[in-house]
Amino acid sequence: DADVTQTPRNRITKTGKRIMLECSQTKGHDRMYWYRQDPGLGLRLIYYSFDVKDINKGEISDGYSVSRQAQAKFSLSLESAIPNQTALYFCATSFGQNTEAFFGQGTRLTVV
Amino acid sequence: DQQVKQNSPSLSVQEGRISILNCDYTNSMFDYFLWYKKYPAEGPTFLISISSIKDKNEDGRFTVFLNKSAKHLSLHIVPSQPGDSAVYFCAASEYGTYKYIFGTGTRLKVLA
Repeated sequence: DADVTQTPRNRITKTGKRIMLECSQTKGHDRMYWYRQDPGLGLRLIYYSFDVKDINKGEISDGYSVSRQAQAKFSLSLESAIPNQTALYFCATSFGQNTEAFFGQGTRLTVV
Repeated sequence: DQQVKQNSPSLSVQEGRISILNCDYTNSMFDYFLWYKKYPAEGPTFLISISSIKDKNEDGRFTVFLNKSAKHLSLHIVPSQPGDSAVYFCAASEYGTYKYIFGTGTRLKVLA
């Protein structure tokens, strides 16, 4: 089983709909992240969380919200999806200073 | 403002030769640098990292070089293999922020 699991893996939704992407981890890491990948733009940070009570905006948080339900769970919501939120979304976790982040398999979201 | 830049979107190299991927950064407070590899339909996987107190780190066929004065790092793959064909992202982190800023990626194609 994957250490960082994202659900769903693929989703097509309509403009204006609310959608939630979920991430869970079994690594015991305290830090969790949401990134989106777009062609030519690389990976951009949406939100990150250091623990259940700590949520921080990243580079591109507008139009998104997050919830850290437990140390192991971090959800990303699009309250009213729009077509330019079509992208690959990745959840990641890390622990400690100067260590690597571990990524999930990604969610491909298409907003039509 | 792109703090981490990968100016070459793509690179083709013959099998057995050296692949050199480059990355520049603007934030002098970055003190930890990472390289990730990404295959299609998978999440990024960690490859190698380097702390700002070093100028070189080696792991098998992969070597990362850091030039702090030029704010430049590079990844050398020797010898290159067809299985190395993937998108490579460099990333940087500033001490105490615990967030990772990624570049736009370089698509490496190793020709058999």
